[in-house]
Amino acid sequence: QKEVEQNSGPLSVPEGAIASLNCTYSDRGSQSFFWYRQYSGKSPELIMFIYSNGDKEDGRFTAQLNKASQYVSLLIRDSQPSDSATYLCAVNGRMDSSYKLIFGSGTRLLVRP
Amino acid sequence: GAVVSQHPSRVICKSGTSVKIECRSLDFQATTMFWYRQFPKQSLMLMATSNEGSKATYEQGVEKDKFLINHASLTLSTLTVASAHPEDSSFYICSASVGLAGYTDTQYFGPGTRLTVL
Repeated sequence: QKEVEQNSGPLSVPEGAIASLNCTYSDRGSQSFFWYRQYSGKSPELIMFIYSNGDKEDGRFTAQLNKASQYVSLLIRDSQPSDSATYLCAVNGRMDSSYKLIFGSGTRLLVRP
Repeated sequence: GAVVSQHPSRVICKSGTSVKIECRSLDFQATTMFWYRQFPKQSLMLMATSNEGSKATYEQGVEKDKFLINHASLTLSTLTVASAHPEDSSFYICSASVGLAGYTDTQYFGPGTRLTVL
């Protein structure tokens, strides 16, 4: 069973701090990795995707990928209360002859004003 | 770009009613569309994968006769919940992918449809 693991949280950080969200995955063949943000009662919104080992930065967000350790993380700099949401890690994997996104259960982030 | 719409956003219906949900990719052609269900405080559960012009592939445990999926064009997929019952009440979310058929590229999600069956 291919799995994506995330700490459910809540991860609580003060406004202006760096929030670090982590994710591990079991399928070594995975090639694409995604971070989605989901506000309560809303659908997921794509934040970033990463394909290669290393860091990828987009504004206040940095995704980090380490395929050898099967680990992907998301850093949020200068966290704002509006960043409070559930962050879903998703990994593409081949199952039953087709590719699908496998989602973690999400980490709830709370940014305190 | 990469905008996905869903209609309706909210449905309240009586038990036994069939409910149709539309998912449209507005500014791109989606080779593959996905349907998910999410219960309160739980993660997304993939129900089925649909490619334009072919039959949907359902996940284990999802009844294909109850959740009818039609992917008529590269921009439209529909999910029909046949004879809905209260246990079908959930948040249904579609997503669309621009990847090659059979390969999952980035998925863009629609805003979701909240179904309440009385």
